Amino acid sequence: DIQMTQSPSSLSASVGDRVTVTCRASQSISSYLNWYQQKPGKAPKLLIYGASSLQSGVPARFSGSGSGTDFTLTISSLQPEDFATYYCQQSYSTSVTFGQGTKVEIK
Amino acid sequence: EVQLVESGGGLVQPGGSLRLSCAASGFTFSRYWMSWVRQAPGKGLEWVANIKQDGSEKYYVDSVKGRFTISRDNAKNSLYLQMNSLRAEDTAVYYCARRASMTTWGYYYYYMDVWGKGTTVTVSS
Repeated sequence: DIQMTQSPSSLSASVGDRVTVTCRASQSISSYLNWYQQKPGKAPKLLIYGASSLQSGVPARFSGSGSGTDFTLTISSLQPEDFATYYCQQSYSTSVTFGQGTKVEIK
Repeated sequence: EVQLVESGGGLVQPGGSLRLSCAASGFTFSRYWMSWVRQAPGKGLEWVANIKQDGSEKYYVDSVKGRFTISRDNAKNSLYLQMNSLRAEDTAVYYCARRASMTTWGYYYYYMDVWGKGTTVTVSS
């Protein structure tokens, strides 16, 4: 199975900060990488698919980049509603795998 | 409104069985692959199973192979997960999700774009 490793596991940031979350795959997955946001007690929400395509309705302050094994999710200016846990997920293999998550907390 | 609603969760003893259901509405269910994803208490997301539009292809995470069966009834717009020989480590919130795709330069990108609110399965004596 393809292993997905996110870093950091958690971070503290302030409203207005630029935030970057990294995801690394154990083998090349081209651009078959998605990002999800999950708030406590809620279902995950798709943010980015195909490494860099913004899902409809998602604010433009979210962006994704990368290909091969290294990927990044960037929030250009953190808003109060962005405090959540973020997961990367590879869709290269029929056996889908997620990263362990990155919790973004208020500083 | 595009919606997925899970049901069937509950408390079951180790070794027991449970059948989860997911009712789809607001979209043409038969056109999509569907998935089950679970989340153990305080843990991350774990994909469980996928099923093709016509049910002819099914894929499972290794930890549930031989114990869980994914199925669907397109006439009823419903997805199912039959869970047998349940273990404590199967305790989780189970989500159903729609798997969508986008084609770019001949490549198909798959992602889960619609999720239900989840149903809780607790395996305990």
